[in-house]
This record gives sequence, structure tokens and C-alpha cells, in this order.
Amino acid sequence: GNSVTQMEGPVTLSEEAFLTINCTYTATGYPSLFWYVQYPGEGLQLLLKATKADDKGSNKGFEATYRKETTSFHLEKGSVQVSDSAVYFCALLKAAGNKLTFGGGTRVLVKP
Amino acid sequence: GAVVSQHPSRVICKSGTSVKIECRSLDFQATTMFWYRQFPKQSLMLMATSNEGSKATYEQGVEKDKFLINHASLTLSTLTVTSAHPEDSSFYICSASAGSFAGYTFGSGTRLTVV
Repeated sequence: GNSVTQMEGPVTLSEEAFLTINCTYTATGYPSLFWYVQYPGEGLQLLLKATKADDKGSNKGFEATYRKETTSFHLEKGSVQVSDSAVYFCALLKAAGNKLTFGGGTRVLVKP
Repeated sequence: GAVVSQHPSRVICKSGTSVKIECRSLDFQATTMFWYRQFPKQSLMLMATSNEGSKATYEQGVEKDKFLINHASLTLSTLTVTSAHPEDSSFYICSASAGSFAGYTFGSGTRLTVV
């Protein structure tokens, strides 16, 4: 079946540091890939997405590239801010209307 | 963009009572809605998938008689936790899909505390 594996947290960084959160997936075919962010006490917000191999999703300084050859979708940001402190979820979608498959989430804490 | 409104955001209820959580898609028609449960510091656990006008499909291990899901219209789905007990205390999140590959829009979640 489909699965998503992402690095465990918590990840603690200083402001302006470089952030990478690894995400790999297992699925047949060509799923769509997503990164969601969850701030404390809130639901999930879509951060970025990629729907085919070699696509790069980007938003708010975050980027992730859909790598079919390594089945990965690592999230990166060059210079984090305190406001980036949140839990980040990698997810895949096999087909429209199907359920999302989530990774376990990675908690990121950015200290001033 | 697509917005999903979930209410209430927090609710405290007494053991044995029932609680209803609403999830509304405000600016699009949601053909499919999903209900998740999230335990502290854990990922989301899918409880059920509901399609408008049909019975919900529950994930294995989720009690359908305890967690009643209704998706009566293309903009509204409800989750009713019946005869709630303290172990039902959790964060419940809904999400909605218009049926495309664009991804799903999530509600802001409901913190349920059963005392």
C-alpha cells in the first residue's frame, strides 16, 4: 500500500538557519505530493504541492521537488523565522477523491 | 481560495452526552469530506470518508455507531460523537475535496474534552 515516511522531530533551529525535512514515499504510479503545515491548536494548511515528477512546489520561501527516481519530496527553506515553528506533514494522493496518506509529521521549533 | 469552516473550535461535554461537529465548505461544493482524529503530538488518523448523499465509509477499527457521520449536502458534513467518554477526548479535523487533484482543504479543528 501507499506510505509516507518523514524524519522525526523535533527539529530545533535558530532563526535564519537552513531547514530541511526529509520525506520519502512508497506508491505505485505517479501520486501527487503535498506539504501541509499545522500551527498550534489549528487545522492543516496546504503549504505547497507537486503533481508530477520534477515539479517544484514553492510557497512562503519553502520549496520541495518531486523526485521520482528517489521517491522523495524533501522540504527546504533557506532562512527560517520564529513564525515557521509548527508541525509539517508530508502527504501523497493517488487519485482525486481518494484519501490522503500522511507522514508522521515533523515538529519544527525556531528559536530567536 | 477554498475555505472550510469547522465548528465548534472547542467543546467540553459531560460523559454520556453527544456532541455534534460541523464542517462546511464555504465557497465550493465538497463531493467528498474526510474526518480525522489527532492525538497529541501525533499524525492524523483517518476515521471515515463521506460522499454527499451516501453512507460514510469508515476505517477499520472506527465504531460507526459511535461516530455518526452525515453528509446531507455538498457543503455540509457533520460528525456526532455519541455517548461520549473521556477516551474520546481528542482533536478532530475535517477536510473537503471538490474532486480534483488540487488537494484537500482542512477545517481548523475541534478540540473535544469529555469530562
